[in-house]
Amino acid sequence: SQQGEEDPQALSIQEGENATMNCSYKTSINNLQWYRQNSGRGLVHLILIRSNEREKHSGRLRVTLDTSKKSSSLLITASRAADTASYFCATLKGDSWGKLQFGAGTQVVVTP
Amino acid sequence: SAVISQKPSRDICQRGTSLTIQCQVDSQVTMMFWYRQQPGQSLTLIATANQGSEATYESGFVIDKFPISRPNLTFSTLTVSNMSPEDSSIYLCSAGTENYGYTFGSGTRLTVV
Repeated sequence: SQQGEEDPQALSIQEGENATMNCSYKTSINNLQWYRQNSGRGLVHLILIRSNEREKHSGRLRVTLDTSKKSSSLLITASRAADTASYFCATLKGDSWGKLQFGAGTQVVVTP
Repeated sequence: SAVISQKPSRDICQRGTSLTIQCQVDSQVTMMFWYRQQPGQSLTLIATANQGSEATYESGFVIDKFPISRPNLTFSTLTVSNMSPEDSSIYLCSAGTENYGYTFGSGTRLTVV
């Protein structure tokens, strides 16, 4: 079964607005990663946050991690039409030999 | 980070036939993985491609159906054997290091008719 659950499943916003999506997981992790997928193509790695980190920034992306609640959030600020994509969280457990467990994903549509 | 070239990008195949998907990485990587993404779904790990030894398959996936080769640290293939329409999916390879994130190939969109 998949480790992560994401909400919302779908998100529709206007350009310039912020987009927030959440990811919950079930077991302890080594790190949590966020990926973007455009139109069913390959995934692009966005950001990785380690279990001992609480917040991380990369450009317009902000990721938080709350290990006590086993949850993470991804915030995209000042969204653009080019941000339209599916976003997946993926967790890595310490004993998983590098294997990621993916969440169900959030489909984000940004309209001009 | 590594760059992966995956091919073919798409194919339409007859049921009962096999398709081999290739992934070439531009640098040596320890870990390579193969995923399946069924329509509208998330990614499911098929197997870990091990260099010089048999792949490690996840529950629900078997070597006879999805044979994998990894002859060196930069190349791997996945074969989808004796295909049926249920095998219609996107297949993706990934490579990298667990502590820095993974690079994914651009995916192979397979349709079985």
